[in-house]
Amino acid sequence: AQSVTQLDSQVPVFEEAPVELRCNYSSSVSVYLFWYVQYPNQGLQLLLKYLSGSTLVKGINGFEAEFNKSQTSFHLRKPSVHISDTAEYFCAVSGGATNKLIFGTGTLLAVQP
Amino acid sequence: NAGVTQTPKFQVLKTGQSMTLQCAQDMNHNSMYWYRQDPGMGLRLIYYSASEGTTDKGEVPNGYNVSRLNKREFSLRLESAAPSQTSVYFCASSEGRNNQPQHFGDGTRLSIL
Repeated sequence: AQSVTQLDSQVPVFEEAPVELRCNYSSSVSVYLFWYVQYPNQGLQLLLKYLSGSTLVKGINGFEAEFNKSQTSFHLRKPSVHISDTAEYFCAVSGGATNKLIFGTGTLLAVQP
Repeated sequence: NAGVTQTPKFQVLKTGQSMTLQCAQDMNHNSMYWYRQDPGMGLRLIYYSASEGTTDKGEVPNGYNVSRLNKREFSLRLESAAPSQTSVYFCASSEGRNNQPQHFGDGTRLSIL
């Protein structure tokens, strides 16, 4: 069985500061990893994905994530956040014979001026 | 591009009433999914359809039924609504392979009194 853990339910940060949102996964098979963003009262949008190859993945809006197989992690980073980055961020994993996504419980990024 | 369209956007029901949530996608995707989102719990899969003509239970199927009407449409039915089904419901679609992202609708906010 696969699972995803996002330990931080909320991350407050000041504008223009760097941020890291943590994601750890558990799986007995090779995985594909995704980060989604949800702005208030909207659906989820894909930020970035790791399928294979380079472990550093760049996404939209200046976000990037690094796949670390030994640490079973896929942390999301941005060097300088904006007020408009305030949203909930979800890490998700898929793999094996199923095409289902398993989501973490989400991290609310609250950017303060 | 419409992507994934959900109707209605908001609904209030009384306990015991029935309701069908509609979802349609215009991306020619094979797979479609229904999730519910509750505070602190992330997204939980209710039912999914890997391809036209097939449906399978997800993590929380009790109290729900689904119909894959055709390749474009996937509906979710609450036969006898209960207050515990108050939630935000999201429909998603994907090409169907586990390395492909899912695309989400904007959600239906359902309150059951």
